[in-house]
Amino acid sequence: GENVEQHPSTLSVQEGDSAVIKCTYSDSASNYFPWYKQELGKRPQLIIDIRSNVGEKKDQRIAVTLNKTAKHFSLHITETQPEDSAVYFCAASNVDFGNEKLTFGTGTRLTIIP
Amino acid sequence: DTGVSQDPRHKITKRGQNVTFRCDPISEHNRLYWYRQTLGQGPEFLTYFQNEAQLEKSRLLSDRFSAERPKGSFSTLEIQRTEQGDSAMYLCASSGKSAGELFFGEGSRLTVL
Repeated sequence: GENVEQHPSTLSVQEGDSAVIKCTYSDSASNYFPWYKQELGKRPQLIIDIRSNVGEKKDQRIAVTLNKTAKHFSLHITETQPEDSAVYFCAASNVDFGNEKLTFGTGTRLTIIP
Repeated sequence: DTGVSQDPRHKITKRGQNVTFRCDPISEHNRLYWYRQTLGQGPEFLTYFQNEAQLEKSRLLSDRFSAERPKGSFSTLEIQRTEQGDSAMYLCASSGKSAGELFFGEGSRLTVL
């Protein structure tokens, strides 16, 4: 089955700086890579996703890059703000089967230092 | 609130007791998922339904766990003879027409004493 590794486990950055979180996956058949943000005691919420037919996707301050050959993908947050503090999870799946059986990474706790 | 709702939000039980969690997905979503999340870990897939059919179960789902979605709407997850290792957050999620975004509920936190 799929295995997703995520690094780092914790990350602290100064407000206004950029944050980068990296994930690798093992199953070359995976073709859908979402990123979820989970605030303390809250539900995971999708912040951005990318499918294997593109290499990069951007949404305001958030971008995701995908390298299919190396089987890794990264989340980039620019101009970080205090409200970006949360745990971020990457995930991978093969949506060709018509379902969202996601394999999640172990999470990165991001702390924005004011 | 038209999101995924779960009940109860918190459950404390003694080892050996049975517990049941309920999930109400977003109304037009036909796929419903159960995940388990322990402290410091990402959610782990347990099982999923397409309408009322349970299509896949993880090996994590021992025979003490059973899930149903009788009318293709709400779902229940029952854990029989609870063990301390069952303590976790049980997350329900749903998805609609095209495979992709999962919408999670707030979760049901189980503590087994």
